[in-house]
Order: sequence, then structure tokens, then C-alpha cells
Amino acid sequence: KQEVTQIPAALSVPEGENLVLNCSFTDSAIYNLQWFRQDPGKGLTSLLLIQSSQREQTSGRLNASLDKSSGRSTLYIAASQPGDSATYLCAVKALVEKLTFGTGTRLTIIP
Amino acid sequence: GAGVSQSPSNKVTEKGKDVELRCDPISGHTALYWYRQSLGQGLEFLIYFQGNSAPDKSGLPSDRFSAERTGGSVSTLTIQRTQQEDSAVYLCASSQMPPGQGESGNTIYFGEGSWLTVV
Repeated sequence: KQEVTQIPAALSVPEGENLVLNCSFTDSAIYNLQWFRQDPGKGLTSLLLIQSSQREQTSGRLNASLDKSSGRSTLYIAASQPGDSATYLCAVKALVEKLTFGTGTRLTIIP
Repeated sequence: GAGVSQSPSNKVTEKGKDVELRCDPISGHTALYWYRQSLGQGLEFLIYFQGNSAPDKSGLPSDRFSAERTGGSVSTLTIQRTQQEDSAVYLCASSQMPPGQGESGNTIYFGEGSWLTVV
């Protein structure tokens, strides 16, 4: 059974700093990995999708990497802003169509 | 539509009543998913539809839960005889790519969720 872990569970950093969020998964037989953000009381917004054949994806200040063999992904956020405050979730899609989610990292950017 | 639409956005119901939650996926998306997120918890998979069929309904927590999809579009999640532990936000998502077509699959888009409170 696939298990997805995100560390840390919560993180607070001053505005402007670069930061890294971690995601690990137990079964490396994945099709893709997706990073989402969730704002309080809202649904999930997709940030980046990395296919199993890819090593990283970039969108603006966000960069996600994937090391399938070691079961790890990182989300790098450059020059953090208060608007980046949210819960960040990673999810892996394995052989079956469903996504398995981690429990998330609650990020607070301090102005 | 432009995004995944869910209704109602909020529902308060009495214990023992039945509720229906609706999801309208992005037009043309063949895959549809239901997830549940309880307060302070991660996302729990409920059921997945490919077209009108549900190849994976392994996450439905009990026989009080059922879901259907008609016309390859709108889906309804029905909870019968609601219990307090059913209180959660129910999230629907859709994606364009069905499984088994070579590529790994496309981005999955979520709706805003239906917030269910059972009192």
C-alpha cells in the first residue's frame, strides 16, 4: 500500500527566504507526482505535475523535483511571499488511477 | 464549465438524514474522483469514475455511501443515514486522461468542495 509522508508538518519562515518542502513515498512504481496548495476553507489548486519520466518541473518561483528511485520529491519556493502561506500537499498516482495524498505541510510566511 | 463545480458548498444536516452532493466536472474530462477530508486530516480517496463506470470504489467507507455518474458528466455522492463522523469536506476532482493510454496521466483539477456538517 502506497504511503506518502510530508515533512515538516508545519513551517514558518520570514518573507523573502527560499524554502524546501519534502515529500516521500514508499512505492516507487508511480505514474506521476503532483503538488497542490490548499488555502483555508478552499479546494486544492494544482501547482506542478511531474511525470514519472521527468526529474523536475518549474513554474515561476516554484520548482519541483522527483527522484523516483529513492521515493522523494521536493518543492522549492524561491523568494517567499506572504501570499504563499497555505497548506502544500503532494500526491502520487500509481498503477491504479487514484491519487494518494500526503498529510501536507502548513506553510506560514511572516511579513 | 471553466472549473470543477460542486454543490452545495455547505450543508448542515441532522443525524440520520440522507444527503446528496453533486459534482460537475470540467467539460470533456472523462475521469472523476471523490475524496473526503476530515478536519485536520489528509485526503481520503472514496471512488473513481472513468466515464460512467466506477473501476475503483475501494474507498467508500460503508454501504451508506454510494455514487453514480450519468452521461459521463455529472456525478452525485449520496450518504444515507448520516452519522456525525461523516462530517467533512467532500472534494470532487476531474482529469482529462483516462488510464492505460500510454502517457502517465494529466493534471487533476479539484472543485472547492462540499462542506458537510452532521449535527
